[in-house]
Amino acid sequence: SQQGEEDPQALSIQEGENATMNCSYKTSINNLQWYRQNSGRGLVHLILIRSNEREKHSGRLRVTLDTSKKSSSLLITASRAADTASYFCAPMYNQGGKLIFGQGTELSVKP
Amino acid sequence: GAVVSQHPSWVICKSGTSVKIECRSLDFQATTMFWYRQFPKQSLMLMATSNEGSKATYEQGVEKDKFLINHASLTLSTLTVTSAHPEDSSFYICSARGPGPSSGNTIYFGEGSWLTVV
Repeated sequence: SQQGEEDPQALSIQEGENATMNCSYKTSINNLQWYRQNSGRGLVHLILIRSNEREKHSGRLRVTLDTSKKSSSLLITASRAADTASYFCAPMYNQGGKLIFGQGTELSVKP
Repeated sequence: GAVVSQHPSWVICKSGTSVKIECRSLDFQATTMFWYRQFPKQSLMLMATSNEGSKATYEQGVEKDKFLINHASLTLSTLTVTSAHPEDSSFYICSARGPGPSSGNTIYFGEGSWLTVV
């Protein structure tokens, strides 16, 4: 299948802790994108990491990519209650391709 | 970042009627837009890829005649749910490929549209 598979399916942590979500995919990619979705809302683009990149940062977010293992991870440091949302990874296999989504990771950050 | 707007945010329609949802790229031109639907607590399901000036490409299992997609301009794509039935009630989300070249692969999403068919 084309979608990324996120792990774990659900994650519950306390405010201030770090949250790590993993994503695995099946074949070679052009890039991989991470999104956040608050309940009942649209998706917010977080980070795009290209196949020739290994790590990217954006504020409290750190994304890594290991193409040899066909996996990526999203780390949210010093989590806040406002980070509570579903997080999706979406591999893009060809430049200009489409995104197919997996089930996502449902993150709950308790104050 | 690029902004994608959807309208309406929510709509209630009677069974058997048609309803149109608009997706606009506000500050960039989008030659390609995508339509998804999402059921509660589930993932997004890609319905179709919409290319400006050409016919949409539908995913397997999506009824072309029921979900009409038109991408008549570089900033607007529409999804029309024809002869809607209660099982069409869902959250519909559009997205657009960002302006290139540096962000040409980034896909930006709208806020979604809740459709309830009664």
